[in-house]
Amino acid sequence: GQQVMQIPQYQHVQEGEDFTTYCNSSTTLSNIQWYKQRPGGHPVFLIQLVKSGEVKKQKRLTFQFGEAKKNSSLHITATQTTDVGTYFCAYKAAGNKLTFGGGTRVLVKP
Amino acid sequence: GAGVSQSPRYKVTKRGQDVALRCDPISGHVSLYWYRQALGQGPEFLTYFNYEAQQDKSGLPNDRFSAERPEGSISTLTIQRTEQRDSAMYRCASSPTDYYGYTFGSGTRLTVV
Repeated sequence: GQQVMQIPQYQHVQEGEDFTTYCNSSTTLSNIQWYKQRPGGHPVFLIQLVKSGEVKKQKRLTFQFGEAKKNSSLHITATQTTDVGTYFCAYKAAGNKLTFGGGTRVLVKP
Repeated sequence: GAGVSQSPRYKVTKRGQDVALRCDPISGHVSLYWYRQALGQGPEFLTYFNYEAQQDKSGLPNDRFSAERPEGSISTLTIQRTEQRDSAMYRCASSPTDYYGYTFGSGTRLTVV
């Protein structure tokens, strides 16, 4: 069935550097959501993208939905230690079931 | 309440016992969702409700798992005759309607010994 792949699975980043994590699907998605889960915490909703080519920014985070609506990316600039955690993308198929990807675990080196 | 509340936070039970996990969503949230999350993995869908109606239970692993939300507010996920493979973090989430992102609770860590 439809599923999303997140790459990379692990991302080691030097504090102050930028990085991008990707969420890829083999089929067209109607929407994509992004969540952040801190170590020992619960997933926290960040953003929802629904339009082809949509770009949304939240401070140092930039979210993009691909033109073909088959992929999405999260770009973080000037990484801080507070960015540590696992970033999940998720999509809603028919029937409102939200399905999560496997996540990208981000580790920040001070 | 201000957030999604789950109880208990931790539950240790013996194999074969029944357990009931409770979720109190944000007041006024129509939609309520149950997920299970294994360590290092993304949340896995179990079931969801709009008001008191169970809309989708396709993620429930087998008939030992059931959920209810009788008055359209608090929900209970029940696991009968627990097995060791049921050990996981069980997460509840709610949203105002189907369209919005979810607010997750802190979860119930279930350990079956």
